Amino acid sequence: NAGVMQNPRHLVRRRGQEARLRCSPMKGHSHVYWYRQLPEEGLKFMVYLQKENIIDESGMPKERFSAEFPKEGPSILRIQQVVRGDSAAYFCASSPPTLGGALETQYFGPGTRLLVL
Amino acid sequence: RKEVEQDPGPFNVPEGATVAFNCTYSNSASQSFFWYRQDCRKEPKLLMSVYSSGNEDGRFTAQLNRASQYISLLIRDSKLSDSATYLCVVKFSGGYNKLIFGAGTRLAVHP
Repeated sequence: NAGVMQNPRHLVRRRGQEARLRCSPMKGHSHVYWYRQLPEEGLKFMVYLQKENIIDESGMPKERFSAEFPKEGPSILRIQQVVRGDSAAYFCASSPPTLGGALETQYFGPGTRLLVL
Repeated sequence: RKEVEQDPGPFNVPEGATVAFNCTYSNSASQSFFWYRQDCRKEPKLLMSVYSSGNEDGRFTAQLNRASQYISLLIRDSKLSDSATYLCVVKFSGGYNKLIFGAGTRLAVHP
């Protein structure tokens, strides 16, 4: 069973370009979470998605950032018109469906390191 | 005040030492608690969950004090391979399962 997969692992963009980060959850997992880690800081929650639904986007910046998890294919985190402050590691995690309120462990992917020049 | 606070360290200890990390959280509605480990430029990996009764996994012991909103991790007989950043993580009740991470405590174990 492959783990959470993210690509690309490294992404370089110039200011003003768009960045698209992809995340494929573990097999059987229907919940996806995106976190951002700035240099020397902890991970910060961005968004929680289930298939075709955004459940909690309380951590997403109001502008330029969007996320989706379509019925088919990976989850996409999209950053439009990137700025230098967007340079960070973006981690995706997945968890299985909730079972009667049981805790779901989140399993993290290797991350995408975005560098904005 | 940060939602989850940790001493950033670094803690520099010799092999075989016992080291303890502490963490405090601000939201009394917190429901679940974890310690994750993150190696340099890698993804966080779950080390252990933390239960009210305390729990142990080999050389690692975690404790939770809900009254003081305090979590600890004790590592006995430190190994070189324990060198990493240890992340204190909290999930709030009703928080849609999102995890709140502390900034991490760095541990360096030397020969």
